[in-house]
Amino acid sequence: KAGVTQTPRYLIKTRGQQVTLSCSPISGHRSVSWYQQTPGQGLQFLFEYFSETQRNKGNFPGRFSGRQFSNSRSEMNVSTLELGDSALYLCASSSSGQDEKLFFGSGTQLSVL
Amino acid sequence: QKEVEQDPGPLSVPEGAIVSLNCTYSNSAFQYFMWYRQYSRKGPELLMYTYSSGNKEDGRFTAQVDKSSKYISLFIRDSQPSDSATYLCAMILIQGAQKLVFGQGTRLTINP
Repeated sequence: KAGVTQTPRYLIKTRGQQVTLSCSPISGHRSVSWYQQTPGQGLQFLFEYFSETQRNKGNFPGRFSGRQFSNSRSEMNVSTLELGDSALYLCASSSSGQDEKLFFGSGTQLSVL
Repeated sequence: QKEVEQDPGPLSVPEGAIVSLNCTYSNSAFQYFMWYRQYSRKGPELLMYTYSSGNKEDGRFTAQVDKSSKYISLFIRDSQPSDSATYLCAMILIQGAQKLVFGQGTRLTINP
């Protein structure tokens, strides 16, 4: 069974640009969660999607948004990038939600210059 | 104050040593407890998943939960260089809606 796939693995952007990250969950998993990981703050929850609906949301500004498609694939978008958005963005899938075991992708390393 | 406290380390021990990693939490509504291992440039992978107080063993790994003290631990016996990674505790808060909270992560190095 293929794991969680995230693309791209690395991304370099400049301030003010926008970026879209992609996540393909494990086949059969309907829940996709996104996390931001930085050395100072650790893993912080962005949002969770289940069956194309945002079910939970963390404390991030509106510049961070996401969506989920009917095949459970998910995208995350960050607009008007700031230097502080530089981080590892991780996607995790589970069969039904946060009380289930999460399976993480390898992440997208975003650098904002 | 963070909901889950975990010493970020770094922690460096010789090969073969017993490693103890710990997290504390402040809210008794945390119910499910997990340990994830994260290698450099990879996403976290689930190591242990427990619910009740007590010990759960899986090979060289033992997860311990003490709900009365709000304290969880992960023990690694006969540590190997391949165990070098960041270990994150995680727990699920059940207060109406469920929320998964991660600790900061402890960076562990096992020296040959």
